[in-house]
Amino acid sequence: EVQLQQSGAELVKPGASVKLSCKTSGYTFSNYYMSWLKQMPGQNIEWIGNIYGGNGGTGYNQKFKGKATLTVDKSSSTAYMDLSSLTSEDSAVYFCARQRGSLAYWGQGTLVTVSS
Amino acid sequence: DIVMTQSPTSMSISVGDRVTMNCKASQNVGSNVDWYQQKTGQSPKLLIYKASNRYTGVPDRFTGSGSGTDFTFTISNMQAEDLAVYYCMQSNSYPYTFGAGTKLELK
Repeated sequence: EVQLQQSGAELVKPGASVKLSCKTSGYTFSNYYMSWLKQMPGQNIEWIGNIYGGNGGTGYNQKFKGKATLTVDKSSSTAYMDLSSLTSEDSAVYFCARQRGSLAYWGQGTLVTVSS
Repeated sequence: DIVMTQSPTSMSISVGDRVTMNCKASQNVGSNVDWYQQKTGQSPKLLIYKASNRYTGVPDRFTGSGSGTDFTFTISNMQAEDLAVYYCMQSNSYPYTFGAGTKLELK
């Protein structure tokens, strides 16, 4: 059974950084891309970027370049997303989703709240 | 970026209704459109991929059609458990982009 387990909710101060994780199981991690997405409360879904599990190659939405950095640890089949210089506009739920064209499997989401 | 214009924004429906929503792409995306269902507090769930293909385990009351720039998603016999927000997404080119969603509410 394919599973994507995301790390828990984060409360972070403005200007700080946070690293989110997405631990996978049930499939060959290196054969798929992992997408990351952002959903602000009551709002649309935005695609942040993706990373290939095989070689760590990345692609980013221009809007999130400099904000998000995607990495993987193949040994633990885990994908990570670093978010830097956080502001209130970064408060949102962040999802990871296994990508093969479509996004068939999603993590449960991680709520990030930026507040002093 | 490709803009996905989804309509309507919301619909008031009754159980048993036929529900239709639309998505229009700002440029040709071929058949590379998916439809997702998101219930409150949950992750989106893939229902339709490549415009018209029902994903594994999805009931046949959910159908999708279209190509190029115009796409349609239909629920043929609305059930109470189908109350959710539905999103279209284009995967033809990066960045992937979503429609703003159609929220289904009970009349």
